[in-house]
Amino acid sequence: DGGITQSPKYLFRKEGQNVTLSCEQNLNHDAMYWYRQDPGQGLRLIYYSQIVNDFQKGDIAEGYSVSREKKESFPLTVTSAQKNPTAFYLCASSITQLQPQHFGDGTRLSIL
Amino acid sequence: SQQGEEDPQALSIQEGENATMNCSYKTSINNLQWYRQNSGRGLVHLILIRSNEREKHSGRLRVTLDTSKKSSSLLITASRAADTASYFCATDADFYNQGGKLIFGQGTELSVKP
Repeated sequence: DGGITQSPKYLFRKEGQNVTLSCEQNLNHDAMYWYRQDPGQGLRLIYYSQIVNDFQKGDIAEGYSVSREKKESFPLTVTSAQKNPTAFYLCASSITQLQPQHFGDGTRLSIL
Repeated sequence: SQQGEEDPQALSIQEGENATMNCSYKTSINNLQWYRQNSGRGLVHLILIRSNEREKHSGRLRVTLDTSKKSSSLLITASRAADTASYFCATDADFYNQGGKLIFGQGTELSVKP
């Protein structure tokens, strides 16, 4: 079955540590997205990529980095510069930009 | 930036009743989408309605769009306990200035009691 896989489901970060969240899709979608969701809130866009080897900053990119070396993969690194990283992180993909997005089941990141 | 704003923030109804959620937005759009999110899970796409459409149906879901009022509504008829979830609207907003991204509202938390 096609879909998006995020891993791990839960992740803990120590102070000063970088951590990487994995996102893989086998839907052959061109566009991929990373969102952050805080409790009781909507989604805020961190980064998005419309094609391999290209990505753009979203509304809250500071303290995060991404790469898009393969169509299927769009990993997100939460760097030590992100001072408040505790949140639920969602990855999504769509055939092209602005089309319906398919979401993974998220990674919950907490600070140790 | 916050484009879509849902109303109400929370809604509690009995099974079998209808649930109506509203979404307002500020700038012109090409399309508006509705998503559902079960607790602790990712979002699931429900319906996309284009700016030249006024109403769209999918099973027990009915979406309307009024571009003159910059608002949309999602109606769930004959609700079930399994409809308990958060519902979000998302717009493509100012496409030419903001690029290929959707802007999500804060969501309506729907609770359907058996």
